[in-house]
Amino acid sequence: AQSVTQLGSHVSVSEGALVLLRCNYSSSVPPYLFWYVQYPNQGLQLLLKYTSAATLVKGINGFEAEFKKSETSFHLTKPSAHMSDAAEYFCAVSDRYNTDKLIFGTGTRLQVFP
Amino acid sequence: ETGVTQSPTHLIKTRGQQVTLRCSSQSGHNTVSWYQQALGQGPQFIFQYYREEENGRGNFPPRFSGLQFPNYSSELNVNALELDDSALYLCASREDRAWEETQYFGPGTRLLVL
Repeated sequence: AQSVTQLGSHVSVSEGALVLLRCNYSSSVPPYLFWYVQYPNQGLQLLLKYTSAATLVKGINGFEAEFKKSETSFHLTKPSAHMSDAAEYFCAVSDRYNTDKLIFGTGTRLQVFP
Repeated sequence: ETGVTQSPTHLIKTRGQQVTLRCSSQSGHNTVSWYQQALGQGPQFIFQYYREEENGRGNFPPRFSGLQFPNYSSELNVNALELDDSALYLCASREDRAWEETQYFGPGTRLLVL
């Protein structure tokens, strides 16, 4: 069975500050890991994904995440927050044989203050 | 813009009724998945269709059913609506050139059951 846990349902940062959104996963098979962003009244947009190549994954909009097997973590970071980053962020896991069946965490709402 | 559209955007039904939600994917996207996102939760996998056949189902009862058509459109049907069916319903599609191809989400249909 697979699952993800997102620590912190709400995260607030100042514009220009570091963004750190936490995700821990549980998987009995080598996982594929994803971060999605959801803006109000919109669907999900893929930020980045880990598919067992490089452990440091760079995504869109300046985001990156590092796969740490020893810590079962896949935290999302961005060096400098922008106001436009305010949204809901979801971490998700799948197994490599059915990447369409994503198991999502409960999400973290990021607020960015000027 | 993901090229995946959904209709209607919003829908209100009463308990016991039936509903059909529609998704239109990009040309060549033979795999479509449906997700249910309850308020404040992450999306949950309902089922997946590949070349017009169901190809995996999550933990949802049989009153949730689907259809996929050769023109890259698909439907999610829910019978005997319950109050807990109120949610945002998302479809996602991808090409089937490789199972690790990224899937693209539509904006969703928000269903309210009264």
